[in-house]
Amino acid sequence: ETGVTQTPRHLVMGMTNKKSLKCEQHLGHNAMYWYKQSAKKPLELMFVYNFKEQTENNSVPSRFSPECPNSSHLFLHLHTLQPEDSALYLCASSQDGENSGANVLTFGAGSRLTVL
Amino acid sequence: TQLLEQSPQFLSIQEGENLTVYCNSSSVFSSLQWYRQEPGEGPVLLVTVVTGGEVKKLKRLTFQFGDARKDSSLHITAAQPGDTGLYLCAGGDAGNNRKLIWGLGTSLAVNP
Repeated sequence: ETGVTQTPRHLVMGMTNKKSLKCEQHLGHNAMYWYKQSAKKPLELMFVYNFKEQTENNSVPSRFSPECPNSSHLFLHLHTLQPEDSALYLCASSQDGENSGANVLTFGAGSRLTVL
Repeated sequence: TQLLEQSPQFLSIQEGENLTVYCNSSSVFSSLQWYRQEPGEGPVLLVTVVTGGEVKKLKRLTFQFGDARKDSSLHITAAQPGDTGLYLCAGGDAGNNRKLIWGLGTSLAVNP
């Protein structure tokens, strides 16, 4: 248990479905992230929120819609996805400014998404 | 575009052997982080190195940051089956502390 909890752990959906991924952190961190992990690709940063404000959106297609209602919860709403969106979606949190250099991330276990 | 190359991509060794994993780039990083990811889990931080030439030890794991802060290595002494996993390096962007440049990882299997 890392202090970052993701649900569901596994999700299978059709291309016309709407679903959501949920992330909750119990670490008191002020920044939360969504990453996509696919085979043969480096981790891809999708979105970053700091104190509920979105600070990064790395050209993610609009079929992925993030929501951060407070600094402990982060959602990723999914709709009309494509098969190539199948991947492991990782949530992470960090405390901005706590370390020299880049923020250190605490990851959840991930949500394995399969789009049929 | 900043890139981090990790080598080797795959490594399968016997328990008790030593190994070194490399992380190389042409870019300078503000820091370098190493994570280990086990199947079905997210990456877990092992160490952060910040200063060029810095060496950190974590039990049987030794991490080194290159003098120019462009590369790093991870050396494992007397590998154990519990060391099995995907080792990821991530370089910090000096201009944005929320941005990490990730390598593809080295998948290590330590056989009993």
